[in-house]
Amino acid sequence: DTEVTQTPKHLVMGMTNKKSLKCEQHMGHRAMYWYKQKAKKPPELMFVYSYEKLSINESVPSRFSPECPNSSLLNLHLHALQPEDSALYLCASSQETGSNEKLFFGSGTQLSVL
Amino acid sequence: RKEVEQDPGPFNVPEGATVAFNCTYSNSASQSFFWYRQDCRKEPKLLMSVYSSGNEDGRFTAQLNRASQYISLLIRDSKLSDSATYLCVVNMNQAGTALIFGKGTTLSVSS
Repeated sequence: DTEVTQTPKHLVMGMTNKKSLKCEQHMGHRAMYWYKQKAKKPPELMFVYSYEKLSINESVPSRFSPECPNSSLLNLHLHALQPEDSALYLCASSQETGSNEKLFFGSGTQLSVL
Repeated sequence: RKEVEQDPGPFNVPEGATVAFNCTYSNSASQSFFWYRQDCRKEPKLLMSVYSSGNEDGRFTAQLNRASQYISLLIRDSKLSDSATYLCVVNMNQAGTALIFGKGTTLSVSS
């Protein structure tokens, strides 16, 4: 079982809704990530937090807003999404952001935007 | 040229077979390499890191060829439970934030 917990597992939202995805890890990892994965495609990096600071934003539209309240929690706030944003959203963590760091993924939130 | 390329398969093999996947990467400065496994509708899970000297973990053997810029994964004595998508992951820089995923190779092991 994964040690990175994501909630909710499934989410259906309208284009005018505001919702949040949550991610939690208690492994003492200092790097946390958001990935987006469409069916039959590889995960695509969205954001990286290192020591609770945003270090990477892969040109993600502003309708996705990440937040790292503390070293164990990572949120992704969603507002005015489009149907093409429907995907599996994966949170991951690693001890640090070094080149040999292994990623531990949560089980994901399957998001459908209507 | 795509940064990380894999044959998508599917590879359909009987139980007990040996199967090998290759993955090529475009950036010669790539620092580290991994194989992840992803089951249908599940999250990716680390299968193994790939070291320069090659490494083995039970039935799984990973190799790195820097000169030709490819990594490989060999699975011996395939089990039904090995059916999954295998993702090649390459880290392009020392900061560790440029993890590039291949599209994955699908393996189906049948009895």
